[in-house]
Amino acid sequence: DVVMTQSPLSLPVTLGQPASISCRSSQSLVFSDGNTYLSWFQQRPGQSPRRLIYEVSNRDSGVPDRFSGSGSRTDFTLKISRVEAEDVGVYYCMQATHWPWTFGQGTKVEIK
Amino acid sequence: QVQLQQSGPGLLKPSQTLSLTCAISGDSVSSNRAAWNWIRQSPSRGLEWLGRTYYRSKWYNDYAVSVKSRITINPDTSKNQFSLQLNSVSPEDTAVYYCVRGFSSSLDCWGQGTLVTVSS
Repeated sequence: DVVMTQSPLSLPVTLGQPASISCRSSQSLVFSDGNTYLSWFQQRPGQSPRRLIYEVSNRDSGVPDRFSGSGSRTDFTLKISRVEAEDVGVYYCMQATHWPWTFGQGTKVEIK
Repeated sequence: QVQLQQSGPGLLKPSQTLSLTCAISGDSVSSNRAAWNWIRQSPSRGLEWLGRTYYRSKWYNDYAVSVKSRITINPDTSKNQFSLQLNSVSPEDTAVYYCVRGFSSSLDCWGQGTLVTVSS
């Protein structure tokens, strides 16, 4: 199985400041069709995960533009340009290029 | 807007069968573009994909190797829902279980989650 490794696992951030989460895969996530199937999810306390980003950099409808995704092959990043209180939660990356689909272990974002 | 509503018991004894149902609104279990997944989450295993069912002129199922001998996922077209059965549960199966729609090689809609506890 493809191993997804996130860092850091805990990220204390000051309100209004940027935050960045790294996700590395054990294999290239470029699929045979040329697409890269890397998604990011946000899980607020007590809620189900919610998708923020798909195919590396495409934001879902309703996701604030302070969230952005980037990267290629095995290295990916989720950035929050200015952290707001509602961004507290755990963030997961997931790959859907190789079977079975696998998740990172999660990064907990909290306010300092 | 797609919505998934889960139902099923939350407390089981070891060796019993876990049974959960996911009712779909806003899409069809027979969609030839979507896949219907079960994923669980626990502190020890994190998010773990368990399996899926989908229709592409006929029905298909895929299961995780870790549970393949114990799992069944079935569609119910008459009720537009799908179900999860996991046999011979043990305390290691204690987790929050989610039904999730898969679409275009991602997971775009999650159910509310069901905490299933296995304890004698």
